Amino acid sequence: AQTVTQSQPEMSVQEAETVTLSCTYDTSESDYYLFWYKQPPSRQMILVIRQEAYKQQNATENRFSVNFQKAAKSFSLKISDSQLGDAAMYFCAYRSATFGNEKLTFGTGTRLTIIP
Amino acid sequence: GAVVSQHPSRVICKSGTSVKIECRSLDFQATTMFWYRQFPKKSLMLMATSNEGSKATYEQGVEKDKFLINHASLTLSTLTVTSAHPEDSSFYICSARRSGPLQETQYFGPGTRLLVL
Repeated sequence: AQTVTQSQPEMSVQEAETVTLSCTYDTSESDYYLFWYKQPPSRQMILVIRQEAYKQQNATENRFSVNFQKAAKSFSLKISDSQLGDAAMYFCAYRSATFGNEKLTFGTGTRLTIIP
Repeated sequence: GAVVSQHPSRVICKSGTSVKIECRSLDFQATTMFWYRQFPKKSLMLMATSNEGSKATYEQGVEKDKFLINHASLTLSTLTVTSAHPEDSSFYICSARRSGPLQETQYFGPGTRLLVL
């Protein structure tokens, strides 16, 4: 079974600075998808960024980018120019690319605080 | 695009009653929907996966007779908590997977807070 580990329960960053959230995973599969979701105080889960394992290029979405290291099974999220609205719980998630196996496996989350 | 709604957003009920939660994909057809439960300050726990027109697949340890799931159309899935008890109090979240582009991505509803007295 796949597992996802987020080793940082809490992180904080000064507004406008850059922060990196770490995520590692364990799998024997070669094809899969990785996601970062954000859960603000409203508790609405919001997709931040996604990465296909077969793509070597790291995904980017505006101020959000990932460092995907397939061999190391690492998938960190970098948030540049942090804003107050980025304060939330961040969950890393894994999904197999195998047909019929659509479950998301979540990490335990990292609570990000933005310091004004 | 990819908006998922849930209704109600919060519900309070008496012990022994049943509660139905609806999950709708508003702007896409969802071939598969998922139901999660989240305890305070914890991650999401998958309860079941439902495909339109077929029986839901429940995760180990989830009572299928307690948590009834119906996926009657490509835009609607319902979760009914039968004979609710205080230990069923939790935050329930649904998600939906679209067909076509980005079909590997799940889009989440805003969640339903259930309190059983």
